[in-house]
This record gives sequence, structure tokens and C-alpha cells, in this order.
Amino acid sequence: AQKITQTQPGMFVQEKEAVTLDCTYDTSDQSYGLFWYKQPSSGEMIFLIYQGSYDEQNATEGRYSLNFQKARKSANLVISASQLGDSAMYFCAIMEYGNKLVFGAGTILRVKS
Amino acid sequence: DAGVIQSPRHEVTEMGQEVTLRCKPISGHNSLFWYRQTMMRGLELLIYFNNNVPIDDSGMPEDRFSAKMPNASFSTLKIQPSEPRDSAVYFCASSIMGGTIRSPQHFGDGTRLSIL
Repeated sequence: AQKITQTQPGMFVQEKEAVTLDCTYDTSDQSYGLFWYKQPSSGEMIFLIYQGSYDEQNATEGRYSLNFQKARKSANLVISASQLGDSAMYFCAIMEYGNKLVFGAGTILRVKS
Repeated sequence: DAGVIQSPRHEVTEMGQEVTLRCKPISGHNSLFWYRQTMMRGLELLIYFNNNVPIDDSGMPEDRFSAKMPNASFSTLKIQPSEPRDSAVYFCASSIMGGTIRSPQHFGDGTRLSIL
């Protein structure tokens, strides 16, 4: 089974609106971490937000929040008040024991003006 | 603050040549990772080091690939001989390995490798 599944190959959102990028994961570990990264067209990988499996509250970082539903094994990224600069590829990743990150296939987000 | 530094940014070479990619991790980080990104396979972990020691190289595709970390501030990924199918973007990342798994990996800007 895929460790990380991102079912949306591409998404459009109107500027200033909120958008949710889906991520489901598969693990049998009790302790794990979930990460989201942004890759703009320039190619660099930018860390956005982290959620630990034992964290009781959903993570937030500025306009980014993580909708963590442990029982459903989902960790969706919510971007509020979208900006043109949010147009990029977004990757969800899981870290289990051993410090290794496994990435999903990514979702391309396009913000329309 | 200096991030992860990779060199070269771009490399174009002919099939059969040796290619060496370089990485300087963030000072104080004790884990280092090499990834490869292609359209077909996405982001794949090739190898990672903790405290300069290779921990998991199961992602290294073939014996043509080798990686070293002679000290805490430098690592190389070498391909010898190179083949066109090695063309990809190679990323280096570093993080702090501690008692938790909360440390995010910080990526360099990548090396775009083209093998003709």
C-alpha cells in the first residue's frame, strides 16, 4: 500500500479563498510525524507545517493549518486567503521510526486572480 | 542563516562520465539525506546519514551510485559511470536527529543533472 496518497493531481482556487489539499497515509506505527512541503516552479523544497501523531491540536503556521483526523488517517493541508504566490506543487510526507521521510506524489495548486 | 548548500546547481555531461554532487548541511544538523526527483518516480530517498554514518542506503539504485560523508559539514553523491536515465533533480536535505521525530528536513536548492 502507498504510504502517502494525494488524490488530487491538480487544484484551482480563486485568490483570497481557502483551499484544502488532501492527504491520507498508511502506517502501523503509533508514533509518527506528518509534514507538508511546498515546491514552487523555481524548484526548491520549502517546509510548511508539521503534525505529530500524539499532538492533540491541529497544527497551524500562519495561513497554513493541518486538518488532522487520526482515525481516518488523513492530514489535509488548509491554506486560507490564497495568494498568487501560493501557486506551486505541494507534497505531503510521513516520517516513521528511523528519521526517513516518504513523500506523496504531490498536488499542483494554481491560484487564479 | 545559511541553509543547505548544494553544488553545482546544474550539471550537463555525457554518458559514461563521472558525476559528483556536493552538499553542505546546515551547521548543527546531524542527519543528512540525498533524494532524487523525477517525473516518473517522484521524490525518492536514496541514502541518509546520522552523525556521518550511512544508516539506510536501500534507495541507492545501483552500484554506480555511491555517497560519502567524511565530516559533519560535507557530503558527496557520486555516479560512475553516468547514464541518461540518471537525469533528475538531486536534493540534499539535513535535519536534527534527536529523541523525537519532530525535526523537519530542510532542503537545498537541488542539482539539476542531465546526462546526454
